Amino acid sequence: EPEVTQTPSHQVTQMGQEVILRCVPISNHLYFYWYRQILGQKVEFLVSFYNNEISEKSEIFDDQFSVERPDGSNFTLKIRSTKLEDSAMYFCASSRTATVEDTQYFGPGTRLTVL
Amino acid sequence: DQQVKQNSPSLSVQEGRISILNCDYTNSMFDYFLWYKKYPAEGPTFLISISSIKDKNEDGRFTVFLNKSAKHLSLHIVPSQPGDSAVYFCAASGDYGGSQGNLIFGKGTKLSVKP
Repeated sequence: EPEVTQTPSHQVTQMGQEVILRCVPISNHLYFYWYRQILGQKVEFLVSFYNNEISEKSEIFDDQFSVERPDGSNFTLKIRSTKLEDSAMYFCASSRTATVEDTQYFGPGTRLTVL
Repeated sequence: DQQVKQNSPSLSVQEGRISILNCDYTNSMFDYFLWYKKYPAEGPTFLISISSIKDKNEDGRFTVFLNKSAKHLSLHIVPSQPGDSAVYFCAASGDYGGSQGNLIFGKGTKLSVKP
């Protein structure tokens, strides 16, 4: 069964450093998403991406964040200058369409720890 | 700003009995609701969904009930099995001013099914 994959599974970085989280969405999916979950909190939407453009972003997704689809398979989330409060699980998801009925499939997540 | 609320952080049920997980929402523009299940070290996995035009949707052991007037939905698992032990997230979506497909999650309920 196709699945969303994410690398690395755990990333440790120093505050102020740049990190890139990588995702490989399901191959025939066209819509991509990043969510995050701070420990003990709810899963929060960050950004959606379609046709090489951001479709929507939340207020969490400020200028420190960017997303890119550098090739036909990868979808990346970059945090330019990490802060302590960026420590969280980051989940990538993908779906065939953006309709609500179309299931979003989530990857296993990357645990980001900012020291 | 908790638009989707799961007020029970945990629930313990005996194997074979019914598990009932509850979820409340505040935004009347939500028109699609989903339940995701999450095991440790994995991403959320889609379980079942319901459109606001329905009040019940059933899939095997899982049934979701929607009470629009009360802005309340519940997930019933009958019979509960030890393998159902996981964190269950309620999520909502709809044309509430954002684009469809961006999910608003609750904080989750940790279900433990005891043999």
